[in-house]
Formats: sequence, structure tokens, C-alpha cells
Amino acid sequence: DVKVTQSSRYLVKRTGEKVFLECVQDMDHENMFWYRQDPGLGLRLIYFSYDVKMKEKGDIPEGYSVSREKKERFSLILESASTNQTSMYLCASSLLGEGSNNEQFFGPGTRLTVL
Amino acid sequence: DQQVKQNSPSLSVQEGRISILNCDYTNSMFDYFLWYKKYPAEGPTFLISISSIKDKNEDGRFTVFLNKSAKHLSLHIVPSQPGDSAVYFCAASWGVGAGNMLTFGGGTRLMVKP
Repeated sequence: DVKVTQSSRYLVKRTGEKVFLECVQDMDHENMFWYRQDPGLGLRLIYFSYDVKMKEKGDIPEGYSVSREKKERFSLILESASTNQTSMYLCASSLLGEGSNNEQFFGPGTRLTVL
Repeated sequence: DQQVKQNSPSLSVQEGRISILNCDYTNSMFDYFLWYKKYPAEGPTFLISISSIKDKNEDGRFTVFLNKSAKHLSLHIVPSQPGDSAVYFCAASWGVGAGNMLTFGGGTRLMVKP
């Protein structure tokens, strides 16, 4: 079974703080993704990565950055947290290439509140 | 502009009856579609998928129908059970195996009443 873990289930931070969200997957997947989920808006892609040290912007990258130093780990960084970044953050991973049906496997999510 | 839309934010169904969740898409490049189920405080889990070369895929109580000409897909759950109460997301992608992104709809909250 694929396991995707996220470092925190709940976080409360103050405006202006630097926030790190960590994600680890144990299935040797090439692809990793960060989404945020907001009511009525579904899952919106923030950043994704196809390989170590590689990153691509998703639909809403403003205010975020990412880091992928190891294949199994993908970090999301909020450089200066703002109240409009209060959301549920979801990490996912998927296989690249033959045998993949583009299915993504999700972690449990981090509920971030920025005060 | 949203490329994948779920126009019903919520749906309430009696236990034992059929639940039908709908999804529309605009990008004709999409050729693979997935449904995910999400409980509160958990990540989404994969439910069922369909390739554009098919018009139906069935897995137990869950059936997905694809109408390419209408750019519409639907998820049928028969019979509905209280444990099916969750938010359902439709997702679309292209190029199976290429590791391409999924584009998600806004979700439909299904409530199955006992």
C-alpha cells in the first residue's frame, strides 16, 4: 500500500511567519504534488515535481515555494504566511510512465490556520 | 475558467436508493477521468476511473459513465449506503502514463440518510 504522510495534521501560525509543510511518500514515486482544498473550489494545484530538485508551478503558486532534495520528500514553504492562506493542504504522489494510470495517492492533509 | 465542473455542491439521497453525481469538462484533450472520495480530516482516496475509449466502467456498487460528445461523466452508486456520505471529486487528465496533472472539479457533498 502506498503511504503518503504529512508532518502535521493541524497547524496554527501568525501572519508573516515562515511555514514549512513536509510530505513523505514510501512508494518510490517520481511525481509529487501540493494542493490546497477550499470549499466549492475543489483541489487546486500549487506546485508539482517530476524529479529530485525539479519543480513546476501549478495553478496558484503565488506566495508559495517548494523543495525536493530527496525523491521521497516534497516540502511546501509559505515564505510569509497570510490569512488568505488558511486552508487544507494536501500532498499527493503518483507513478510516472508505464503502469501508471495517473492515479494520485494523497496524504491525510494539514489544516493550516493563519491568524 | 474551471475546466472541470461539478455543478451540484450537495446531494441528499435515501439509503438503498441510487446516487448520481455529475461532472462536466471543457478540455477535449482530457482522455482519462477519475473519481475520488474524501471523508472529513482525511485525504481523498481513489474510487474508480474511466478511459476515453470506454463509455462505462463498473466496480461493485460504483459505475462511471462517460459521454464524450457531451463532455459529461457521471458516477452512479447503487445502492447508496450511509458510509458513502462524503465529498466526491471528479478529476480529468490526459496522456495516461505520462504522469500528467489531474484537474479537479469543485466536489459534491453526498449525504445518504438512513
